[in-house]
Amino acid sequence: QKEVEQDPGPLSVPEGAIVSLNCTYSNSAFQYFMWYRQYSRKGPELLMYTYSSGNKEDGRFTAQVDKSSKYISLFIRDSQPSDSATYLCATTTIQGAQKLVFGQGTRLTINP
Amino acid sequence: KAGVTQTPRYLIKTRGQQVTLSCSPISGHRSVSWYQQTPGQGLQFLFEYFSETQRNKGNFPGRFSGRQFSNSRSEMNVSTLELGDSALYLCASSSGGAAEQYFGPGTRLTVT
Repeated sequence: QKEVEQDPGPLSVPEGAIVSLNCTYSNSAFQYFMWYRQYSRKGPELLMYTYSSGNKEDGRFTAQVDKSSKYISLFIRDSQPSDSATYLCATTTIQGAQKLVFGQGTRLTINP
Repeated sequence: KAGVTQTPRYLIKTRGQQVTLSCSPISGHRSVSWYQQTPGQGLQFLFEYFSETQRNKGNFPGRFSGRQFSNSRSEMNVSTLELGDSALYLCASSSGGAAEQYFGPGTRLTVT
């Protein structure tokens, strides 16, 4: 079983919809949580970075971490066609901070 | 501030050969991490260098090695290439103290 599970999709929604992307993890030592966006043939781009449990908002993006259920989410409001990409969750421990463990990635398409 | 740069962007090698990939981190970043991305396994951590020392290592065979120079630039080397080494190799840099990592565009390696 992978340490971080993420539904690979694909997920297709209409423009303007609220998108919910999720990951679960198994290692309770994970403390840092990140969401990356990756366009085709590009490197991953850091979207959100959170430490421990709670919510973090940045524009149309909201990241949520629930450590009690080992569940992390990314919400995209007012989705745009330019949001079409693969979204990857990532996490790491305090000790191995640079050793990110990634989910498989969810391929998202926003239809105009 | 310039982002992470990787060279070359594309590479075709023959099984049994060796290859060296290069990464220049964001100015001021002292930590460089390397990842392998494949459709089947996703993004997997290879190793991390900080101040010219390997600080973390993933579960890859010894054919995969790396080094970091005094200016924080890093190289990774893969010897005795196998077909399964075909992948996108990504380099990420960070300040070293935090888990936030910023990725380069990657080097796409094809082994024939």
